[in-house]
Amino acid sequence: GAGVSQSPSNKVTEKGKDVELRCDPISGHTALYWYRQSLGQGLEFLIYFQGNSAPDKSGLPSDRFSAERTGGSVSTLTIQRTQQEDSAVYLCASSLSGDISGNTIYFGEGSWLTVV
Amino acid sequence: QKEVEQDPGPLSVPEGAIVSLNCTYSNSAFQYFMWYRQYSRKGPELLMYTYSSGNKEDGRFTAQVDKSSKYISLFIRDSQPSDSATYLCAMSANSGYSTLTFGKGTMLLVSP
Repeated sequence: GAGVSQSPSNKVTEKGKDVELRCDPISGHTALYWYRQSLGQGLEFLIYFQGNSAPDKSGLPSDRFSAERTGGSVSTLTIQRTQQEDSAVYLCASSLSGDISGNTIYFGEGSWLTVV
Repeated sequence: QKEVEQDPGPLSVPEGAIVSLNCTYSNSAFQYFMWYRQYSRKGPELLMYTYSSGNKEDGRFTAQVDKSSKYISLFIRDSQPSDSATYLCAMSANSGYSTLTFGKGTMLLVSP
C-alpha cells in the first residue's frame, strides 16, 4: 500500500487477555518503530527495528510487551496479560533508514486499544 | 522537569490569524528539531525539520530554533480551519529516529 497500515484499528479486550497488533510498513522501508500515545501524553517510544533486528528495545515498558519483525516487513507487537494502563493508541511508523537527516518517518493511523 | 515541555492548549484563533506554537527543552545536546501535525484519530505527519539553530520557512509555516534559550517555535501565517489539529514538537541529540523525544502536543482550533 501507499502508507503504513495497522490492524486492528480498534481493539477492546478484557484485562488479562493477550493482544496482537500488526503493522505493514511502506514497501522498501528498512526502519520500523512502535510508539505508544496515551490520552494527553506525547508519543512514547517503544521499539525500533532495522531490518528484522531490534537494536533498540529500550522503550518496552515491561516484559509483557514484545515485538517481532519478519521478512524485513510486517511487524507484530504483542501485549500479554493486558492491564488497564495499557489502554492507549499504538502507532507504527517506518522510514527508509533510521537516520533523521534527509529521511522522513511515516506514521500509520494507529491501533486504539482499550482494556476493560 | 520533563525534557520537553509544551502547552497542551487548546489554542483558539480566528481564521487568518498568525499562530505561534512553542516548546521548551532542558537537554542542551538536542540538535535535531521537528514539528509534527496530528489530526484527530490519525498518525502524526512531519511538517518541519530543522538541524541546529536558525529559521526555516515552508509556505505558511516557519520554524525557529533558539538553542541558547532552549526554545523552539512554529509560526503559522494566515491560519485556516484545516490547520485545526494537534501540533507536536520532537527533538533529538543524535540522528537516530529512535531517540526522538516528543512534547505532549498543543491542540489548535481555527474558527471560520
